[in-house]
Amino acid sequence: RKEVEQDPGPFNVPEGATVAFNCTYSNSASQSFFWYRQDCRKEPKLLMSVYSSGNEDGRFTAQLNRASQYISLLIRDSKLSDSATYLCVVLTGGGNKLTFGTGTQLKVEL
Amino acid sequence: GAVVSQHPSWVICKSGTSVKIECRSLDFQATTMFWYRQFPKQSLMLMATSNEGSKATYEQGVEKDKFLINHASLTLSTLTVTSAHPEDSSFYICSAGRGQGFGYTFGSGTRLTVV
Repeated sequence: RKEVEQDPGPFNVPEGATVAFNCTYSNSASQSFFWYRQDCRKEPKLLMSVYSSGNEDGRFTAQLNRASQYISLLIRDSKLSDSATYLCVVLTGGGNKLTFGTGTQLKVEL
Repeated sequence: GAVVSQHPSWVICKSGTSVKIECRSLDFQATTMFWYRQFPKQSLMLMATSNEGSKATYEQGVEKDKFLINHASLTLSTLTVTSAHPEDSSFYICSAGRGQGFGYTFGSGTRLTVV
């Protein structure tokens, strides 16, 4: 079983749609959780951290369920510019090791 | 803040040669930097953790004699791919963080092609 699992997609959605991505992690000792965005042939960029209480940043909402070892990302009113691969990232190893999911590809269309 | 600079952006080299990639934290000090490799349509895989002033910690399956890491200062880590072969062609990315909870910033990556 992979340490961090994501549905690879691609998810093709029309502009303005709401879309959600899920991620599960296997290491219950994981400490911090992040969503990163990666555009084609570019480096990943931090989208947002994920907290147990849930957090929102504009059109983006992240949720963490430690009991189920499950993380989600919700994008509302999706824009063409949201098209990218979204990486679920978990910090383990005493706070020193980032483990990446394979990413979920999103394509927002007109 | 938290800018990480990585050079070169891309390099094409002949099989058997060595290539050095630099990773610098521009506006903060990083006692730890990380080196990743990403093959097409795959996730980033951690290769090694670079520790300032001490030896790097390599992940299982990564040859330390092939991928030499030097972290001589708090702002610079280098990865040298020695005796590169076509199967080493990949996207190499470094990252550094300011501490737990701040997230990690990535360099812009180096696309290595070995011919």
